[in-house]
Amino acid sequence: ETGVTQTPRHLVMGMTNKKSLKCEQHLGHNAMYWYKQSAKKPLELMFVYSLEERVENNSVPSRFSPECPNSSHLFLHLHTLQPEDSALYLCASSPGGQGASGYTFGSGTRLTVV
Amino acid sequence: DAKTTQPTSMDCAEGRAANLPCNHSTISGNEYVYWYRQIHSQGPQYIIHGLKNNETNEMASLIITEDRKSSTLILPHATLRDTAVYYCIVSRGSYIPTFGRGTSLIVHP
Repeated sequence: ETGVTQTPRHLVMGMTNKKSLKCEQHLGHNAMYWYKQSAKKPLELMFVYSLEERVENNSVPSRFSPECPNSSHLFLHLHTLQPEDSALYLCASSPGGQGASGYTFGSGTRLTVV
Repeated sequence: DAKTTQPTSMDCAEGRAANLPCNHSTISGNEYVYWYRQIHSQGPQYIIHGLKNNETNEMASLIITEDRKSSTLILPHATLRDTAVYYCIVSRGSYIPTFGRGTSLIVHP
Protein backbone atom coordinates (compact mmCIF):
# COMPACT_ATOMS: atom_id res chain seq x y z
CA GLU A 1 0.00 0.00 0.00
CA THR A 2 1.35 3.40 -0.98
CA GLY A 3 -1.11 5.59 0.89
CA VAL A 4 -3.01 6.35 -2.33
CA THR A 5 -5.91 3.98 -2.94
CA GLN A 6 -7.63 3.62 -6.29
CA THR A 7 -10.84 1.74 -6.99
CA PRO A 8 -11.76 -0.26 -8.90
CA ARG A 9 -8.54 -2.04 -9.90
CA HIS A 10 -10.07 -3.29 -13.13
CA LEU A 11 -13.04 -1.96 -15.10
CA VAL A 12 -14.66 -3.11 -18.33
CA MET A 13 -17.27 -0.76 -19.75
CA GLY A 14 -19.27 -0.34 -22.92
CA MET A 15 -19.05 2.80 -25.00
CA THR A 16 -22.48 3.98 -23.80
CA ASN A 17 -21.83 3.39 -20.10
CA LYS A 18 -21.12 5.93 -17.40
CA LYS A 19 -18.66 4.99 -14.70
CA SER A 20 -16.42 6.71 -12.17
CA LEU A 21 -12.91 6.02 -10.95
CA LYS A 22 -12.12 6.87 -7.34
CA CYS A 23 -8.89 7.91 -5.69
CA GLU A 24 -8.31 8.50 -1.98
CA GLN A 25 -5.25 9.67 -0.07
CA HIS A 26 -4.71 10.30 3.63
CA LEU A 27 -1.14 11.54 3.40
CA GLY A 28 -2.05 15.15 4.05
CA HIS A 29 -1.02 16.09 0.53
CA ASN A 30 -2.34 19.27 -1.11
CA ALA A 31 -2.22 18.25 -4.75
CA MET A 32 -3.76 15.33 -6.63
CA TYR A 33 -3.33 14.22 -10.23
CA TRP A 34 -4.83 11.95 -12.86
CA TYR A 35 -2.47 10.31 -15.35
CA LYS A 36 -3.15 8.07 -18.31
CA GLN A 37 -0.82 5.33 -19.52
CA SER A 38 -1.77 3.73 -22.83
CA ALA A 39 -0.05 0.64 -24.12
CA LYS A 40 3.51 1.43 -25.21
CA LYS A 41 3.07 5.17 -24.56
CA PRO A 42 4.55 7.38 -21.86
CA LEU A 43 2.61 8.32 -18.78
CA GLU A 44 0.73 11.57 -19.53
CA LEU A 45 -0.87 14.08 -17.22
CA MET A 46 -4.62 14.56 -17.54
CA PHE A 47 -5.62 16.75 -14.62
CA VAL A 48 -4.11 18.52 -11.63
CA TYR A 49 -5.96 19.64 -8.52
CA SER A 50 -4.10 21.85 -6.13
CA LEU A 51 -5.85 22.78 -2.87
CA GLU A 52 -9.09 21.45 -4.43
CA GLU A 53 -8.96 23.84 -7.39
CA ARG A 54 -8.36 22.47 -10.88
CA VAL A 55 -5.31 24.17 -12.30
CA GLU A 56 -4.47 22.13 -15.39
CA ASN A 57 -6.50 19.93 -17.70
CA ASN A 58 -4.14 19.46 -20.61
CA SER A 59 -6.79 19.46 -23.36
CA VAL A 60 -8.33 16.17 -22.30
CA PRO A 61 -11.58 15.26 -24.13
CA SER A 62 -14.78 16.25 -22.34
CA ARG A 63 -15.82 12.61 -21.99
CA PHE A 64 -13.40 12.63 -19.04
CA SER A 65 -14.64 14.77 -16.18
CA PRO A 66 -12.66 15.16 -12.94
CA GLU A 67 -14.09 16.02 -9.55
CA CYS A 68 -12.25 16.85 -6.34
CA PRO A 69 -14.73 17.30 -3.46
CA ASN A 70 -11.97 17.67 -0.85
CA SER A 71 -8.22 17.36 -0.53
CA SER A 72 -8.38 13.63 0.16
CA HIS A 73 -10.61 12.45 -2.66
CA LEU A 74 -10.45 12.63 -6.42
CA PHE A 75 -12.82 11.17 -8.99
CA LEU A 76 -12.67 10.70 -12.74
CA HIS A 77 -16.11 10.45 -14.29
CA LEU A 78 -16.25 8.61 -17.59
CA HIS A 79 -18.99 8.68 -20.24
CA THR A 80 -19.32 7.65 -23.88
CA LEU A 81 -15.73 6.49 -24.03
CA GLN A 82 -14.02 5.09 -27.10
CA PRO A 83 -11.99 1.87 -27.38
CA GLU A 84 -8.81 3.95 -27.67
CA ASP A 85 -9.47 5.21 -24.14
CA SER A 86 -8.56 1.76 -22.85
CA ALA A 87 -5.53 2.32 -20.64
CA LEU A 88 -4.12 2.30 -17.13
CA TYR A 89 -5.41 5.33 -15.23
CA LEU A 90 -3.22 6.39 -12.36
CA CYS A 91 -3.90 8.76 -9.51
CA ALA A 92 -1.11 10.48 -7.62
CA SER A 93 -0.76 12.97 -4.81
CA SER A 94 2.02 15.25 -3.65
CA PRO A 95 2.68 17.85 -0.97
CA GLY A 96 2.60 20.47 -3.73
CA GLY A 97 4.77 23.52 -4.23
CA GLN A 98 8.16 23.97 -5.81
CA GLY A 99 10.90 21.59 -4.86
CA ALA A 100 8.47 19.42 -2.97
CA SER A 101 8.97 15.71 -2.51
CA GLY A 102 7.88 13.39 -5.27
CA TYR A 103 4.49 12.03 -6.09
CA THR A 104 2.89 9.04 -4.41
CA PHE A 105 0.99 6.96 -6.95
CA GLY A 106 -1.86 4.55 -6.52
CA SER A 107 -1.86 1.13 -8.14
CA GLY A 108 -4.08 2.31 -10.98
CA THR A 109 -7.33 1.29 -12.62
CA ARG A 110 -6.98 -0.88 -15.71
CA LEU A 111 -9.81 0.29 -17.98
CA THR A 112 -11.04 -1.63 -20.99
CA VAL A 113 -13.65 -0.03 -23.26
CA VAL A 114 -15.57 -2.52 -25.40
CA ASP B 1 10.29 21.88 -18.06
CA ALA B 2 13.64 20.78 -19.49
CA LYS B 3 13.83 17.63 -21.58
CA THR B 4 15.83 14.59 -20.48
CA THR B 5 17.65 11.89 -22.44
CA GLN B 6 18.10 8.38 -21.08
CA PRO B 7 19.32 5.12 -22.61
CA THR B 8 16.47 2.91 -23.73
CA SER B 9 17.67 -0.14 -21.82
CA MET B 10 20.41 -1.37 -19.51
CA ASP B 11 21.20 -4.54 -17.69
CA CYS B 12 23.02 -5.29 -14.48
CA ALA B 13 24.10 -8.36 -12.54
CA GLU B 14 22.41 -8.99 -9.23
CA GLY B 15 24.44 -7.68 -6.31
CA ARG B 16 26.36 -5.19 -8.46
CA ALA B 17 25.79 -1.45 -8.60
CA ALA B 18 23.43 -0.18 -11.28
CA ASN B 19 24.36 3.25 -12.61
CA LEU B 20 21.62 4.88 -14.66
CA PRO B 21 22.62 8.04 -16.56
CA CYS B 22 20.45 10.97 -17.55
CA ASN B 23 21.24 14.03 -19.64
CA HIS B 24 19.38 17.28 -19.01
CA SER B 25 21.52 19.89 -20.70
CA THR B 26 18.74 22.53 -20.85
CA ILE B 27 17.94 22.42 -17.14
CA SER B 28 17.26 25.79 -15.59
CA GLY B 29 18.36 27.04 -12.19
CA ASN B 30 15.10 26.40 -10.36
CA GLU B 31 14.47 22.91 -11.76
CA TYR B 32 14.96 19.76 -9.74
CA VAL B 33 16.01 16.33 -10.98
CA TYR B 34 13.54 13.62 -9.97
CA TRP B 35 13.84 9.86 -10.38
CA TYR B 36 10.95 7.43 -10.38
CA ARG B 37 10.64 3.79 -11.31
CA GLN B 38 7.73 1.70 -12.54
CA ILE B 39 7.51 -2.01 -12.11
CA HIS B 40 5.34 -3.66 -14.75
CA SER B 41 1.65 -2.66 -14.53
CA GLN B 42 2.09 -0.83 -11.22
CA GLY B 43 2.05 2.87 -10.46
CA PRO B 44 5.42 4.67 -10.56
CA GLN B 45 7.36 4.87 -7.32
CA TYR B 46 9.27 7.98 -6.27
CA ILE B 47 12.95 7.24 -5.63
CA ILE B 48 14.87 10.45 -5.01
CA HIS B 49 15.27 14.05 -6.13
CA GLY B 50 17.87 16.80 -5.92
CA LEU B 51 18.71 20.33 -6.99
CA LYS B 52 22.49 20.74 -6.92
CA ASN B 53 23.99 18.52 -4.28
CA ASN B 54 24.32 14.78 -4.34
CA GLU B 55 21.57 13.02 -2.43
CA THR B 56 21.29 9.61 -0.79
CA ASN B 57 18.40 7.75 0.78
CA GLU B 58 17.59 4.17 1.66
CA MET B 59 16.80 3.34 -1.95
CA ALA B 60 19.49 5.02 -4.02
CA SER B 61 22.04 7.77 -4.51
CA LEU B 62 21.75 10.67 -6.93
CA ILE B 63 24.88 12.23 -8.35
CA ILE B 64 24.41 15.56 -10.14
CA THR B 65 27.30 17.04 -12.11
CA GLU B 66 28.56 20.45 -11.12
CA ASP B 67 27.12 22.08 -14.25
CA ARG B 68 23.82 20.23 -13.57
CA LYS B 69 23.61 19.08 -17.18
CA SER B 70 23.57 15.40 -16.30
CA SER B 71 22.96 13.08 -13.39
CA THR B 72 23.36 9.43 -12.42
CA LEU B 73 21.08 7.32 -10.28
CA ILE B 74 22.97 4.64 -8.41
CA LEU B 75 21.38 1.51 -6.99
CA PRO B 76 24.30 0.26 -4.87
CA HIS B 77 23.41 -3.43 -4.73
CA ALA B 78 20.85 -4.27 -7.40
CA THR B 79 18.39 -7.09 -6.77
CA LEU B 80 15.99 -8.85 -9.10
CA ARG B 81 13.20 -6.72 -7.65
CA ASP B 82 14.91 -3.61 -9.02
CA THR B 83 13.99 -4.69 -12.56
CA ALA B 84 11.79 -1.81 -13.72
CA VAL B 85 11.56 1.23 -15.99
CA TYR B 86 13.43 4.17 -14.46
CA TYR B 87 12.35 7.71 -15.29
CA CYS B 88 14.54 10.79 -14.98
CA ILE B 89 12.46 13.96 -14.86
CA VAL B 90 13.36 17.61 -14.59
CA SER B 91 10.71 19.78 -12.98
CA ARG B 92 10.20 22.85 -10.85
CA GLY B 93 8.13 20.61 -8.62
CA SER B 94 4.68 21.89 -9.49
CA TYR B 95 3.48 19.19 -11.88
CA ILE B 96 4.98 16.76 -14.39
CA PRO B 97 3.36 16.77 -17.87
CA THR B 98 4.87 13.49 -19.01
CA PHE B 99 7.23 10.86 -17.70
CA GLY B 100 8.89 10.08 -21.03
CA ARG B 101 10.11 6.62 -22.07
CA GLY B 102 12.67 6.05 -19.32
CA THR B 103 15.35 3.35 -19.09
CA SER B 104 14.31 -0.28 -18.86
CA LEU B 105 16.67 -1.85 -16.33
CA ILE B 106 16.93 -5.62 -16.23
CA VAL B 107 18.73 -7.15 -13.27
CA HIS B 108 19.85 -10.69 -14.02
CA PRO B 109 21.02 -13.43 -11.65
